[in-house]
Amino acid sequence: AQKITQTQPGMFVQEKEAVTLDCTYDTSDQSYGLFWYKQPSSGEMIFLIYQGSYDEQNATEGRYSLNFQKARKSANLVISASQLGDSAMYFCAMRGLTGTASKLTFGTGTRLQVTL
Amino acid sequence: DADVTQTPRNRITKTGKRIMLECSQTKGHDRMYWYRQDPGLGLRLIYYSFDVKDINKGEISDGYSVSRQAQAKFSLSLESAIPNQTALYFCATSEGGSTAANQPQHFGDGTRLSIL
Repeated sequence: AQKITQTQPGMFVQEKEAVTLDCTYDTSDQSYGLFWYKQPSSGEMIFLIYQGSYDEQNATEGRYSLNFQKARKSANLVISASQLGDSAMYFCAMRGLTGTASKLTFGTGTRLQVTL
Repeated sequence: DADVTQTPRNRITKTGKRIMLECSQTKGHDRMYWYRQDPGLGLRLIYYSFDVKDINKGEISDGYSVSRQAQAKFSLSLESAIPNQTALYFCATSEGGSTAANQPQHFGDGTRLSIL
């Protein structure tokens, strides 16, 4: 079974500052993938970034980077230079990469509010 | 036009009614999924389909059924709606093939369903 834990129900950050959203996971799979999604108040789910368990380097996509610490089973999302449009819910998710399992397991999310 | 289109976007109905939510995609993906989102619980998988002839139950399939009419269409039915099925429903798609497991899922904009 897979489990994702996001311990921060809500976070505040000032515009132009960096923020880290925490995500820890638990799995018995040797090979897996980690995903982050953004959900604005309008409701859609937007894919942000992906990290494979065997990737040696941390994933980066523009202002988003994933701080992957495999031994600690953590996959924290770092947003640099926050913008007002970054205010949203953020979900961490994972999926096993072996067999036919295709289920994404989601955390409960972190609500980020960017302030002036 | 959206790559993953859900209809309707909003629906209010009464207990006991049969409801169908529809999803169509233009991404050419083999895999399609239905999730529901409840406040504080993140997203949970209802059903998923790897191709037209392959349909699988997710973690919360009771009270739901699906139909994969074509590669591009995947519908979700509530045979006899009940109030605790009030939620935000998402359809998602992803690529199949050898790299399927590390591909992100792409979500529609969601259907807000209220059952009175």
